[in-house]
Amino acid sequence: DAGVIQSPRHEVTEMGQEVTLRCKPISGHNSLFWYRQTMMRGLELLIYFNNNVPIDDSGMPEDRFSAKMPNASFSTLKIQPSEPRDSAVYFCASSLGERDTQYFGPGTRLTVL
Amino acid sequence: KNEVEQSPQNLTAQEGEFITINCSYSVGISALHWLQQHPGGGIVSLFMLSSGKKKHGRLIATINIQEKHSSLHITASHPRDSAVYICAVRQGGSEKLVFGKGTKLTVNP
Repeated sequence: DAGVIQSPRHEVTEMGQEVTLRCKPISGHNSLFWYRQTMMRGLELLIYFNNNVPIDDSGMPEDRFSAKMPNASFSTLKIQPSEPRDSAVYFCASSLGERDTQYFGPGTRLTVL
Repeated sequence: KNEVEQSPQNLTAQEGEFITINCSYSVGISALHWLQQHPGGGIVSLFMLSSGKKKHGRLIATINIQEKHSSLHITASHPRDSAVYICAVRQGGSEKLVFGKGTKLTVNP
């Protein structure tokens, strides 16, 4: 298996623009997690899905962030409008079940100017 | 105060030394994870444990539930072990992972 796939790997955008990050989980995994990593705050859970259904989105910073999982093989994290403080590395991870070992994607490094 | 505290923040060792990284947490948990983040940024799950001890190669993870403490040990350390090691806990009754800030390990040849 190719592992968790994220795209793009790097994104540079200007403040106010819409940003869409994409994730393809490992085939057969039922849980998908979106994380954000910054120097100041470390790794933080934004939202996770189980069987394509959002279970916990309490980590989503504000209404500018939204996440969808239209099917078992694809998820998006959208920021609209983006702000410089959104600059971070965004990781997607998947696991067989909510409590199983998580496999991380390579991350998307987002820079908002 | 963070729910998950790691120590030390930074650790430099010589090749061959025995390494210990500590993780303390303040909440009831159902599981604790140790993760490794390579210099290139990739994250790998090393261990998931809820009691006792687990071993994989030169890595050993232990947890003491009563003391709310876990340790990650590396025997015969090697420069390729240089990475950031992150402790994360799954709080009881929740599926969310809460992460420590990480310990940056540098092993010199």
